[in-house]
Amino acid sequence: GAVVSQHPSWVICKSGTSVKIECRSLDFQATTMFWYRQFPKQSLMLMATSNEGSKATYEQGVEKDKFLINHASLTLSTLTVTSAHPEDSSFYICSARGAGTSGYNEQFFGPGTRLTVL
Amino acid sequence: DAKTTQPTSMDCAEGRAANLPCNHSTISGNEYVYWYRQIHSQGPQYIIHGLKNNETNEMASLIITEDRKSSTLILPHATLRDTAVYYCIVRLRSGGGADGLTFGKGTHLIIQP
Repeated sequence: GAVVSQHPSWVICKSGTSVKIECRSLDFQATTMFWYRQFPKQSLMLMATSNEGSKATYEQGVEKDKFLINHASLTLSTLTVTSAHPEDSSFYICSARGAGTSGYNEQFFGPGTRLTVL
Repeated sequence: DAKTTQPTSMDCAEGRAANLPCNHSTISGNEYVYWYRQIHSQGPQYIIHGLKNNETNEMASLIITEDRKSSTLILPHATLRDTAVYYCIVRLRSGGGADGLTFGKGTHLIIQP
């Protein structure tokens, strides 16, 4: 149980284009999803927290207009990197957490998406 | 969340028990100790968590000192696949853990054949 998937696993795009990354909880309903970013040889940094049906909460220094997050259902959240630039190249990881009574109330992580912007 | 201190790296021989220490001297009474690990180029994997008592699951054991200022994660029979960065995180568990996790630098555990 507690499987979280991400799609795509890797993507290469040209500077100025937008890229959408999907995060799905496969066997539980995720009331909260989190998006992290990890640069090479660094640790994960939380970007934003999203609750199903409401606006995401962004961490300080993360541009909400650049990193659009949608959590429209209890099993799907998307992160769209708009007008991507080479400095946005990173490993993007989502995690999902179920409701407190669901048995899935810890954070379970997806496999990550490697974004390379040329 | 309380700050944690972990060694940067550790080696362990395959088949031996790997003991990973974590100091969290400023932990408060309602904060839990969580352990995650991240294998290269993968997402983090939840291992175990505890509050006061020692905990064991199919992956590992967690030993928390009586004063709760430090803990040790034990992998009883390390294999090559256990090579990863191990993160010790201290945090509240209010509301089931609604807040995102704060990852430090972790310990890079290398299992030697």
